[in-house]
Amino acid sequence: NAGVTQTPKFRVLKTGQSMTLLCAQDMNHEYMYWYRQDPGMGLRLIHYSVGEGTTAKGEVPDGYNVSRLKKQNFLLGLESAAPSQTSVYFCASTHWRGGSDTQYFGPGTRLTVL
Amino acid sequence: AQSVTQLDSQVPVFEEAPVELRCNYSSSVSVYLFWYVQYPNQGLQLLLKYLSGSTLVKGINGFEAEFNKSQTSFHLRKPSVHISDTAEYFCAVRSIISNDYKLSFGAGTTVTVRA
Repeated sequence: NAGVTQTPKFRVLKTGQSMTLLCAQDMNHEYMYWYRQDPGMGLRLIHYSVGEGTTAKGEVPDGYNVSRLKKQNFLLGLESAAPSQTSVYFCASTHWRGGSDTQYFGPGTRLTVL
Repeated sequence: AQSVTQLDSQVPVFEEAPVELRCNYSSSVSVYLFWYVQYPNQGLQLLLKYLSGSTLVKGINGFEAEFNKSQTSFHLRKPSVHISDTAEYFCAVRSIISNDYKLSFGAGTTVTVRA
């Protein structure tokens, strides 16, 4: 049982390049989330999904796209990276039982955009 | 919408001393409250959560938190810290409305424990 895994762990991009971050969970969770973490700002929600084939915007969705083609995977894409997207990205997943369930987090992806 | 304010960005503390991390929230509806911990270069993991019932909640690693509805606070405490408690701590809130799927996080409090 690996929990929540993220690929890659580190990445350096040049401005304008694209990339996809992969999140996978083996807990059969319905809900998955992408956050970014910046110093002094806590975690901010980028996009989330409440089930296979569904996605929704979070607090800071601009410049990102997501897809949830399989229940266990949640992909975050950057079509044209900008230096403002330099951050640590975390994926999380949870069951939904009225909102009381714990979110389980992956180890993070550290992205630098030059 | 909900918001969370963590009143201290950094808390230095000596080993075996007590520590309190302060969290206040704002919400127009009832909420669930969470404390998460992030050890260096790791993801977040749950310390404890308040759903309902007793306002004093006990979590892992000797931490506890007290929910105070009148003061809209959820402060985290540990009576005696260890070096291994050095980490960043996040307070988070979610409304109890059934179609609100999102957690709102505070900015975090960095705890540094010194020998």
